[in-house]
Amino acid sequence: DAGITQSPRHKVTETGTPVTLRCHQTENHRYMYWYRQDPGHGLRLIHYSYGVKDTDKGEVSDGYSVSRSKTEDFLLTLESATSSQTSVYFCAISEGQDGYTFGSGTRLTVV
Amino acid sequence: QKEVEQDPGPLSVPEGAIVSLNCTYSNSAFQYFMWYRQYSRKGPELLMYTYSSGNKEDGRFTAQVDKSSKYISLFIRDSQPSDSATYLCAMSALGRDDKIIFGKGTRLHILP
Repeated sequence: DAGITQSPRHKVTETGTPVTLRCHQTENHRYMYWYRQDPGHGLRLIHYSYGVKDTDKGEVSDGYSVSRSKTEDFLLTLESATSSQTSVYFCAISEGQDGYTFGSGTRLTVV
Repeated sequence: QKEVEQDPGPLSVPEGAIVSLNCTYSNSAFQYFMWYRQYSRKGPELLMYTYSSGNKEDGRFTAQVDKSSKYISLFIRDSQPSDSATYLCAMSALGRDDKIIFGKGTRLHILP
């Protein structure tokens, strides 16, 4: 996806370990978002950011933290991974009311 | 009642047919309406974007918004197998906080 990359693309981790997912953008967009997507639930907002060091919680933020120290990077940390956090994680960016641009996703499996 | 309701499907139609995808919503403050297309193992991509009520056409795709009924539609004419994907409706209200609310998506299969 042009202008937005997520890493890693796939990860398998053990229960109880911390995990950090990275979203990097080259568009200089102000807003960045982390979603998880699960069958039957659709896209659910975890955390979002409206500027450097400005973040807020979404509807499913428990067990997750975020940081944004630079405009281009938005990190999502699972503090102690659980099997319920097995999911596909998407980062998105936006500027104003023009809709979101999504990354390609990170497929996370917690075993 | 959920803010945005969307039938998950799957919806299977023969190639060349007209496809109709729909969403209903409850929040009358929504002003911006979008449709995203998501191919398997990919991120959603913005397909159509409309403001307020009315129709918008882009090639084989037409987006329709009826705010009085709180109902939006996406029509696909001359459907192709490459249109097989999950389609997510999405909407947001005016204002500084521009978080978008997504439907759960409808899986569409176009049969050759």
